[in-house]
Amino acid sequence: TQLLEQSPQFLSIQEGENLTVYCNSSSVFSSLQWYRQEPGEGPVLLVTVVTGGEVKKLKRLTFQFGDARKDSSLHITAAQPGDTGLYLCAANKLSFGAGTTVTVRA
Amino acid sequence: DTGVSQNPRHKITKRGQNVTFRCDPISEHNRLYWYRQTLGQGPEFLTYFQNEAQLEKSRLLSDRFSAERPKGSFSTLEIQRTEQGDSAMYLCASSEGTALRGYTFGSGTRLTVV
Repeated sequence: TQLLEQSPQFLSIQEGENLTVYCNSSSVFSSLQWYRQEPGEGPVLLVTVVTGGEVKKLKRLTFQFGDARKDSSLHITAAQPGDTGLYLCAANKLSFGAGTTVTVRA
Repeated sequence: DTGVSQNPRHKITKRGQNVTFRCDPISEHNRLYWYRQTLGQGPEFLTYFQNEAQLEKSRLLSDRFSAERPKGSFSTLEIQRTEQGDSAMYLCASSEGTALRGYTFGSGTRLTVV
């Protein structure tokens, strides 16, 4: 059973479009992390969010931690083919969600 | 430092055979984690070490699985009497401390049991 629920499971968009993926739970977390994973490789840490309501930006990626620290979102502006990958959220000694597979078409 | 290294990258074995994977973490990282990932799923926690001590094991880690980190540096994960259901990517990660400092993953070992 996944402690973290991610949605949508799959997302396919055209280059230049925006996208948002979500990570939800009924539990409160002291911190939450987002990773991106490419096929055949391990996940790569993108960001850690700690404070409820926190917003962090990493170039075209914006991460938000919910006020109650139970949910988070990742927004990508003007997506590029290089953003293609499996986006995973994780918390509590790395309990992972099932991930959102993002495909950005050129 | 070249990051977290895992060997082998791929392993094909016959059902019933034993396999052993190795993980070399980042040298200054005192925590080391093992995960299993199947297609379409996120990684599932198996076990973790702080230095040489194995502090937590998941219920997924049946008695056929054993992990060691004898000198607090590299770690091995052994699976005895492999089953087809063991086919998965086995990932290792290391960290210098808590989640706030970030986790670094290796590229994984892909196990196929035939």
